[in-house]
Amino acid sequence: AQSVSQHNHHVILSEAASLELGCNYSYGGTVNLFWYVQYPGQHLQLLLKYFSGDPLVKGIKGFEAEFIKSKFSFNLRKPSVQWSDTAEYFCAVNRNNAGNMLTFGGGTRLMVKP
Amino acid sequence: DTAVSQTPKYLVTQMGNDKSIKCEQNLGHDTMYWYKQDSKKFLKIMFSYNNKELIINETVPNRFSPKSPDKAHLNLHINSLELGDSAVYFCASSQDPSGGAEQYFGPGTRLTVT
Repeated sequence: AQSVSQHNHHVILSEAASLELGCNYSYGGTVNLFWYVQYPGQHLQLLLKYFSGDPLVKGIKGFEAEFIKSKFSFNLRKPSVQWSDTAEYFCAVNRNNAGNMLTFGGGTRLMVKP
Repeated sequence: DTAVSQTPKYLVTQMGNDKSIKCEQNLGHDTMYWYKQDSKKFLKIMFSYNNKELIINETVPNRFSPKSPDKAHLNLHINSLELGDSAVYFCASSQDPSGGAEQYFGPGTRLTVT
């Protein structure tokens, strides 16, 4: 069965620190990859997505992610975090022939200290 | 304007009851979904519904049934509620069911079964 792993469950950073959140998936076929963010008390919002082409994708709010096919990874990065980035981050994967049903990772809770 | 809305926001009920959660999207999307987020923040797809075609996650008990009166609505009915049904339920929609179509999420409904 397809699975998505986020190894960092909780991350605490100070403002201006760099961020990298790991995401690995187990499916070997063609996949689409997403990062969603859930700010406290709010609904899930799309940060960025990868379908094909340039493996380095840029999203909103200065986030980017790199797809490394050989490592089955899609790590999220931001060079300098802000207090307002405090949120829960979810990696998600779907297969092209799976009816767009997303499989989510367990989430990473990021806390940025001012 | 709220793109994907859910009612109610909170629902507290007793075991054995039957309840419904409503979802409406005003984006003109063709596909809608229901996800369940448990107490550990794990998000799991429950259903995908497109043009009367229902795709069910095999792990979902048959006490759960989605009902779509029209393209803009996908309501979730739950019969004989159990303690383990306590969770946050998210509705989502996408323009089409193709892999990679961005999903827009509602604010969630927190269901508590006592």
